[in-house]
Amino acid sequence: GQQLNQSPQSMFIQEGEDVSMNCTSSSIFNTWLWYKQDPGEGPVLLIALYKAGELTSNGRLTAQFGITRKDSFLNISASIPSDVGIYFCAGHNAGNMLTFGGGTRLMVKP
Amino acid sequence: DTAVSQTPKYLVTQMGNDKSIKCEQNLGHDTMYWYKQDSKKFLKIMFSYNNKELIINETVPNRFSPKSPDKAHLNLHINSLELGDSAVYFCASSQEGGTEYNEQFFGPGTRLTVL
Repeated sequence: GQQLNQSPQSMFIQEGEDVSMNCTSSSIFNTWLWYKQDPGEGPVLLIALYKAGELTSNGRLTAQFGITRKDSFLNISASIPSDVGIYFCAGHNAGNMLTFGGGTRLMVKP
Repeated sequence: DTAVSQTPKYLVTQMGNDKSIKCEQNLGHDTMYWYKQDSKKFLKIMFSYNNKELIINETVPNRFSPKSPDKAHLNLHINSLELGDSAVYFCASSQEGGTEYNEQFFGPGTRLTVL
């Protein structure tokens, strides 16, 4: 089946630093998504990417959909303590079924 | 105001028991889902359901069954619980999916512990 490889698995950074994480897939997706999960909560959508090569920003977040449709990255600039959580990439093809990456656990030191 | 709600938040039970987790959404969506998140935080789709069809992830044991009394509810029934069923289960909902992605809204999760 489809698999998404997400890296790094975890990051421990200083407040104010920029963060970068990425996902690669063994197969093509029509849509790439980035979610954030806070402790004790369900995932919340941050950014959706619909076209190969698309670069999209949401505040301090920037994500890109790779040209090959098999990869995506998420950047967070000037991290703050509330950025702590687990970030998941997810791929979507027809039928609204999502395939999730393994997650990147972000920890921010004030 | 909660969009997708689940009950209970925590469920502790013995091996072999049968249990249910309830999910309700007030978003007017027509498709609902169940996901399992294991101890390593890996999220995997279990079911996708709307009034037209049920899509089952082939890896899900048939001890798991979704039941939808109406469009706003999709409950998860689990028979003969096993230790490996311990996980956090998330319900989600969206408008019906086609070729384009419709955002899925997740509930807060139910932590199931099987002893």
